[in-house]
Amino acid sequence: DVKVTQSSRYLVKRTGEKVFLECVQDMDHENMFWYRQDPGLGLRLIYFSYDVKMKEKGDIPEGYSVSREKKERFSLILESASTNQTSMYLCASSPGGGVSNQPQHFGDGTRLSIL
Amino acid sequence: SQQGEEDPQALSIQEGENATMNCSYKTSINNLQWYRQNSGRGLVHLILIRSNEREKHSGRLRVTLDTSKKSSSLLITASRAADTASYFCATDSNTGKLIFGQGTTLQVKP
Repeated sequence: DVKVTQSSRYLVKRTGEKVFLECVQDMDHENMFWYRQDPGLGLRLIYFSYDVKMKEKGDIPEGYSVSREKKERFSLILESASTNQTSMYLCASSPGGGVSNQPQHFGDGTRLSIL
Repeated sequence: SQQGEEDPQALSIQEGENATMNCSYKTSINNLQWYRQNSGRGLVHLILIRSNEREKHSGRLRVTLDTSKKSSSLLITASRAADTASYFCATDSNTGKLIFGQGTTLQVKP
């Protein structure tokens, strides 16, 4: 079974801090994704990566950056955390050959609170 | 931009009953996926149905796709308390990304 592991289930940070969310997958998947999930807004794509060092903006990239130095690891960075970034963050991965025609495998999420 | 919208937003049934959730979308698609999310957990992929398919089964799950009506339905037969979760449809968009709907929250009472 594919395992996508997010480094923290719960995280509390202060406004203005630089925050790192880490995600690791163990199935050699080419594609990796970061979403945020908010009540009433559903899942929204922040960034995705289809190969090492490659990244593409999703629907809401403002205030975020990403890093993919190794195939199995995809990091989400909040450059200067703000209270409106309090949310549930979900990482996912999928095999190559297309971003939207493959099942995505999700981690259990990181619930991030910015105080 | 929202592609898939689920209906109803919430559904409450008794154990043993069938549950039907619907998903409507706006633009043509190549495939549609259904996911389940248990409270506080990540999403789990259930079924992917391609635009040239009309129906797909997986255990107690049955998914139909009507491209002429731009809609899909997920049927869970003989529901169990463990089926309590949120269910999301996701469609591919013209930008090549998956767009998720806001989900249907299903409660199955023992």
